[in-house]
Amino acid sequence: DVKVTQSSRYLVKRTGEKVFLECVQDMDHENMFWYRQDPGLGLRLIYFSYDVKMKEKGDIPEGYSVSREKKERFSLILESASTNQTSMYLCASSFGGPKKNEQFFGPGTRLTVL
Amino acid sequence: DQQVKQNSPSLSVQEGRISILNCDYTNSMFDYFLWYKKYPAEGPTFLISISSIKDKNEDGRFTVFLNKSAKHLSLHIVPSQPGDSAVYFCASRAAGNKLTFGGGTRVLVKP
Repeated sequence: DVKVTQSSRYLVKRTGEKVFLECVQDMDHENMFWYRQDPGLGLRLIYFSYDVKMKEKGDIPEGYSVSREKKERFSLILESASTNQTSMYLCASSFGGPKKNEQFFGPGTRLTVL
Repeated sequence: DQQVKQNSPSLSVQEGRISILNCDYTNSMFDYFLWYKKYPAEGPTFLISISSIKDKNEDGRFTVFLNKSAKHLSLHIVPSQPGDSAVYFCASRAAGNKLTFGGGTRVLVKP
């Protein structure tokens, strides 16, 4: 079974703090993704990575950065947290190449920025 | 501009009846479509998918229909069970591995 784990289920931070969200997958997937989920807006892609040290912007990258130093780990960084970044953050992974690309999700991190 | 839309934010259905969830898309380059199910405090889990070369895919109680000319897909759940109560997201894929998700439909199945 594919397992995607996220470092925290719940996180409370203050405005201006630097925040790290970690994601690890154990299926040797090439692709990894970070989404945020907000009511009525569904899942919106922040950043994704096709390979180690590679990253691409998604639909809403502003205020975020990512790091992928190892194939199994993908980190999301909020350089200076703001209240509008309060959200549910979901990490996902999938195989690369011309396959059906089902994405497997972690349990999510609910981040509150005060 | 949302390329994938789920126009019904919620749906309530009696146990044993059919649930029909709808999804519309605008990008004609989408070639693969998926449905995910999400329970509270859990990540979404894959439910069923369909390639653009098909118009129907069935898996047990779940059937997905694709109407390419109308840029519309739907998910049918028959019969609906209380454990089906969740938020359902449709997702579409264009070239590459990115998925674009709809806003979700919350389904409540009443016993």
